[in-house]
Amino acid sequence: SAVISQKPSRDICQRGTSLTIQCQVDSQVTMMFWYRQQPGQSLTLIATANQGSEATYESGFVIDKFPISRPNLTFSTLTVSNMSPEDSSIYLCSVDQGLGLGIYEQYFGPGTRLTVT
Amino acid sequence: GDSVTQMEGPVTLSEEAFLTINCTYTATGYPSLFWYVQYPGEGLQLLLKATKADDKGSNKGFEATYRKETTSFHLEKGSVQVSDSAVYFCALRPQGAQKLVFGQGTRLTINP
Repeated sequence: SAVISQKPSRDICQRGTSLTIQCQVDSQVTMMFWYRQQPGQSLTLIATANQGSEATYESGFVIDKFPISRPNLTFSTLTVSNMSPEDSSIYLCSVDQGLGLGIYEQYFGPGTRLTVT
Repeated sequence: GDSVTQMEGPVTLSEEAFLTINCTYTATGYPSLFWYVQYPGEGLQLLLKATKADDKGSNKGFEATYRKETTSFHLEKGSVQVSDSAVYFCALRPQGAQKLVFGQGTRLTINP
């Protein structure tokens, strides 16, 4: 399975500031995904990032608030902009690993725990 | 739209008890189904999966069977251990899609 690392692992930020989260994979992957896990809640997909093209955002998430970069096949960043306390969450990146015959498994990074004060 | 519903938590059991965590789904076509586990302070780990009807996924003593007729994928383990204490998420991958749709998670605590 793919090994995924994220930086930072946690941060405490002031409202109104921005934080950029990095995601690094140990192999080349086509698609990378960014999820949010609000306190005590399930995971919600923010966007899908494909190398060389703009990210595709899910309903309720916009590029101005969560800009994403995907400069190559092993790396992506998610920025949480103009933060408010409601942005306090765990942010996770994930990647697909194809097993053949149209079967995929999705693996997750360890997450970035963000607290906005 | 596609959705996953898990049994309400938290669930508390004694060591060596039998575990069932219910999961039902709504989806068109033939989604793939997954169970993920999140241990305290850690990220999400894939526990098991099933990609077609009647498939049984299994790992670490856990198992779940893809039941198309009841749209269910219940997680079971015959004898739980304290180390199984974690949050368990049921998820589906819609047919032809890449994103995962997660249930709300079930927190499991096993007491010695």
